[in-house]
Amino acid sequence: GAVVSQHPSWVICKSGTSVKIECRSLDFQATTMFWYRQFPKQSLMLMATSNEGSKATYEQGVEKDKFLINHASLTLSTLTVTSAHPEDSSFYICSVGNGDKPQHFGDGTRLSIL
Amino acid sequence: DAKTTQPPSMDCAEGRAANLPCNHSTISGNEYVYWYRQIHSQGPQYIIHGLKNNETNEMASLIITEDRKSSTLILPHATLRDTAVYYCIVRDQGAQKLVFGQGTRLTINP
Repeated sequence: GAVVSQHPSWVICKSGTSVKIECRSLDFQATTMFWYRQFPKQSLMLMATSNEGSKATYEQGVEKDKFLINHASLTLSTLTVTSAHPEDSSFYICSVGNGDKPQHFGDGTRLSIL
Repeated sequence: DAKTTQPPSMDCAEGRAANLPCNHSTISGNEYVYWYRQIHSQGPQYIIHGLKNNETNEMASLIITEDRKSSTLILPHATLRDTAVYYCIVRDQGAQKLVFGQGTRLTINP
């Protein structure tokens, strides 16, 4: 199956800074990747669908100017949390779509904003 | 919104079969049933999926009722490493998004 690499696995930074998270598809070219966020004791919430070569599609209530997504190649999508604040602290997870085949997920990035 | 209903938690003894139910009474003809699990602090792991027929792989079996309104994931010989949150998800064949519900927190006890 697909192997998805997510980096970094955890990051701690000061309020007001921007943080970039990478998601790589290691064994096939992915035109679509997904970004989720998960708060403690809650389920995964889809934030946006990342499309290679075009703009991401954001779910309702997700600020596109705050969560910048770039999917410039078929194996890499990045999520940048801009001007991060403590309420942005969460577990961010990406997944890779492959048509009708099951999605495969990265191991997540735990973001803590002080 | 998630289209599935699962019990919030279940317990199972190590070595026994774990049977996790899922209701999806509004499922349509094009929608598959997917199962994922999430072990603490990791990303979800794909387990199995099916449309109408029962399915089996090296991880689990999926039993779908004839009317397709419910299904059961079976872990035949549960181990302590199977402790996780299990998510049952209905997804249209043509769609790619997965919408997660609250899942079932399965605890395997020694």
